[in-house]
Amino acid sequence: GAVVSQHPSRVICKSGTSVKIECRSLDFQATTMFWYRQFPKKSLMLMATSNEGSKATYEQGVEKDKFLINHASLTLSTLTVTSAHPEDSSFYICSARDGSSPNNEQFFGPGTRLTVL
Amino acid sequence: DAKTTQPTSMDCAEGRAANLPCNHSTISGNEYVYWYRQIHSQGPQYIIHGLKNNETNEMASLIITEDRKSSTLILPHATLRDTAVYYCIVRGRGSARQLTFGSGTQLTVLP
Repeated sequence: GAVVSQHPSRVICKSGTSVKIECRSLDFQATTMFWYRQFPKKSLMLMATSNEGSKATYEQGVEKDKFLINHASLTLSTLTVTSAHPEDSSFYICSARDGSSPNNEQFFGPGTRLTVL
Repeated sequence: DAKTTQPTSMDCAEGRAANLPCNHSTISGNEYVYWYRQIHSQGPQYIIHGLKNNETNEMASLIITEDRKSSTLILPHATLRDTAVYYCIVRGRGSARQLTFGSGTQLTVLP
């Protein structure tokens, strides 16, 4: 099956710093990538949808200036958490949709654990 | 996408079959039932999907009732590594929308 990777798998940073998370589709072209956030013992919540070459669409309540998303190529999307604070500590999961699949299959990365001190 | 209802948690003895129910009474004719699972601190993993016929693959079986208002995911011989949160999701097969996750069922396989 299709593989989606994320880097880093975990990151610890100080409050006020920015953190970049990369999401790559390894063996397919992802026309659309999704970013989810998951707090402890909660379900995945969609943060934003990004289409290659265009601006991301953010869900209600998600600050676009704080969570910068770049989807510059068909295999790479990045999420930058700017001026991170402890409440941003969470599990961030990306997902990529195979643009060539008629079924619009969606594949998930392994997630990135962000801890802000 | 139709709403789904799942029990919050279930236990299963190792080696026994785990049967996870899902209600989707508002499912429409062109919507499929998908099952994903999420092992702790990992991304979701696709398990199986179906429209109206029962489906089986190397991971699990999916039984969909004739009226399609409910389904059951069956793990025939549960192992400790099957402990995870299992999500039942209903959506159109070619839908361009993102997968939306409910609360899921926490399955704990007991030794």
